[in-house]
Amino acid sequence: GAVVSQHPSRVICKSGTSVKIECRSLDFQATTMFWYRQFPKKSLMLMATSNEGSKATYEQGVEKDKFLINHASLTLSTLTVTSAHPEDSSFYICSATKLSGSTETQYFGPGTRLLVL
Amino acid sequence: SQKIEQNSEALNIQEGKTATLTCNYTNYSPAYLQWYRQDPGRGPVFLLLIRENEKEKRKERLKVTFDTTLKQSLFHITASQPADSATYLCALGEDYKLSFGAGTTVTVRA
Repeated sequence: GAVVSQHPSRVICKSGTSVKIECRSLDFQATTMFWYRQFPKKSLMLMATSNEGSKATYEQGVEKDKFLINHASLTLSTLTVTSAHPEDSSFYICSATKLSGSTETQYFGPGTRLLVL
Repeated sequence: SQKIEQNSEALNIQEGKTATLTCNYTNYSPAYLQWYRQDPGRGPVFLLLIRENEKEKRKERLKVTFDTTLKQSLFHITASQPADSATYLCALGEDYKLSFGAGTTVTVRA
């Protein structure tokens, strides 16, 4: 398998503050990492694709200035929710791709629960 | 429009029985399809991958089929156990991206 960690697992912040979430692949190098958000009883929605050393690719409707992504190394990507508001409260999950032969499999982190008051 | 539908939101079965979950899709041409397990408040855990040219894949008590003509995948949990209780997500792989269904929550009664 492959292990992906996220930190913090849970964060509560005041409206208007910024929150940084880290995603690390612990035992493999990942050229591509993905950021998702998930609302209760809903499917995971892809927010952006992050490649090491280049700018992230955002999905339609996701504000790149609101959700800043930095992929500094092959094992670390960060998502910063800037000037968070209550509607940004959600479950944020990252994944990292691991290449096995010709197949890329996404391995997910445990998620970060964000609550904006 | 593109759509991924998982048969039902919830499935309750007796321990020892086989759970069968359905994933149907429209307006996708996935090169592969994956199934994940998600427990409450946790990230998805990868279970199985099946490619478009594969009909069936097995892993221990799990079996996945993939019919690109019907645009459907079936996911079976045989000899189910209470520990199998979780939400199961199907995900379609196109290019390098995954698109997820909303999931089916399986509850296995002892």
